[in-house]
Amino acid sequence: EPEVTQTPSHQVTQMGQEVILRCVPISNHLYFYWYRQILGQKVEFLVSFYNNEISEKSEIFDDQFSVERPDGSNFTLKIRSTKLEDSAMYFCATGLAGLGNEQFFGPGTRLTVL
Amino acid sequence: KQEVTQIPAALSVPEGENLVLNCSFTDSAIYNLQWFRQDPGKGLTSLLLIQSSQREQTSGRLNASLDKSSGRSTLYIAASQPGDSATYLCAVRVTGNQFYFGTGTSLTVIP
Repeated sequence: EPEVTQTPSHQVTQMGQEVILRCVPISNHLYFYWYRQILGQKVEFLVSFYNNEISEKSEIFDDQFSVERPDGSNFTLKIRSTKLEDSAMYFCATGLAGLGNEQFFGPGTRLTVL
Repeated sequence: KQEVTQIPAALSVPEGENLVLNCSFTDSAIYNLQWFRQDPGKGLTSLLLIQSSQREQTSGRLNASLDKSSGRSTLYIAASQPGDSATYLCAVRVTGNQFYFGTGTSLTVIP
């Protein structure tokens, strides 16, 4: 069964460094999402992406964050200058269609900012 | 802003028991509601998706219901097994592409 994959599974970085988290969507999916889950807290929506542009973003997704599909397959989340509070599990999700359709989640990348 | 609450926060039951997990949301203007399972340190596995026009969905031993007007959904698990032990999350999809998640119910099924 096709699945969403994410790399790396765990990333440790120093505060102020840039990180790029990668996601490989299910092949025929067109909608892409990033979520984060700080330890012990709710899963929070960050951004949705369709047709090579951001379709919606939350207030968490500030200028430090960016997303792109650099090669038409991978979907990346970049954090320009990491802060301690960016430490969280980051989940990529993809969907075949937009409203009304299921989202399928990847296993997540655990980001630890020291 | 949509608030999603799940009760109870934790539940422990003996194997074989039927159980109900609850999810409530404050704004009934949703497109759909999805139930997920999350194992420790792992991603989210989709269990059931209910569209706003539907009242329930079933998959195997799982049955999810939706009462949009009252802002409630339940996940019924029949004949629970130790392998069902996990955290169960509900998420509602509102206008646009945002999902709002609940804090989850941590389920332990005791052999």
